[in-house]
Amino acid sequence: EVELVESGGDLVQPGRSLRLSCTTSGFTFGDYAMSWVRQAPGKGLEWVGFTRRTGDGGTTEYVASVKGRFTISRDDSKSIAYLQMNSLKTEDTAVYYCTRLKMVYATNYYYYMDVWGKGTTVTVSS
Amino acid sequence: DIQMTQSPSTLSASVGDRVTITCRASQSISSWLAWYQQKPGKAPKLLIYKASSLENGVPSRFSGSGSGTEFTLTISSLQPDDFATYYCQQYNSYSWTFGQGTKVEIK
Repeated sequence: EVELVESGGDLVQPGRSLRLSCTTSGFTFGDYAMSWVRQAPGKGLEWVGFTRRTGDGGTTEYVASVKGRFTISRDDSKSIAYLQMNSLKTEDTAVYYCTRLKMVYATNYYYYMDVWGKGTTVTVSS
Repeated sequence: DIQMTQSPSTLSASVGDRVTITCRASQSISSWLAWYQQKPGKAPKLLIYKASSLENGVPSRFSGSGSGTEFTLTISSLQPDDFATYYCQQYNSYSWTFGQGTKVEIK
């Protein structure tokens, strides 16, 4: 069974750092790109960023609001994706979901989120 | 960034009703659109990808249509398990963006 389990969520002060982990099982991790999505309390979904497969360069893309502060990485040997969050702001308070990405090629690469973890809660407050 | 606008924001319906949710993109996204269902306190679940392709295991009462800038999600006969919030999401270009959500409530 495919499973994604997020961990690392915590209460942190503004300006501090936190690293989230997404531990996966049930599929060949290296064959997939991985993404993070967040949801502020009572709000909608916001895509945070993603990492391509290592075989595709492992490069990353981010939403503008976290660019330069957040970094997504992956460890294929452990089947884990990470979200390093630095210089945290109160507006980063949210449930953070890890998602697996299904890739489609049609003159370009396109990805959609086919499996989601249950999420981990990050609260940024003094 | 491409803006995604869903309508309505809230929908009241009864079991057995046919329900349609609309999603409009601020520019053409071809068919690179997904629909997700989210229940309170739970993670979203993929229903539809590439505008009209049904994800494995999703009941056939769910269907998607559209291309370019206008898309619809239809539930042919609303079931008790379908009361939830639905989100569209474009993956045509970065940043990927979601609609604001449509909450389907019991009438």
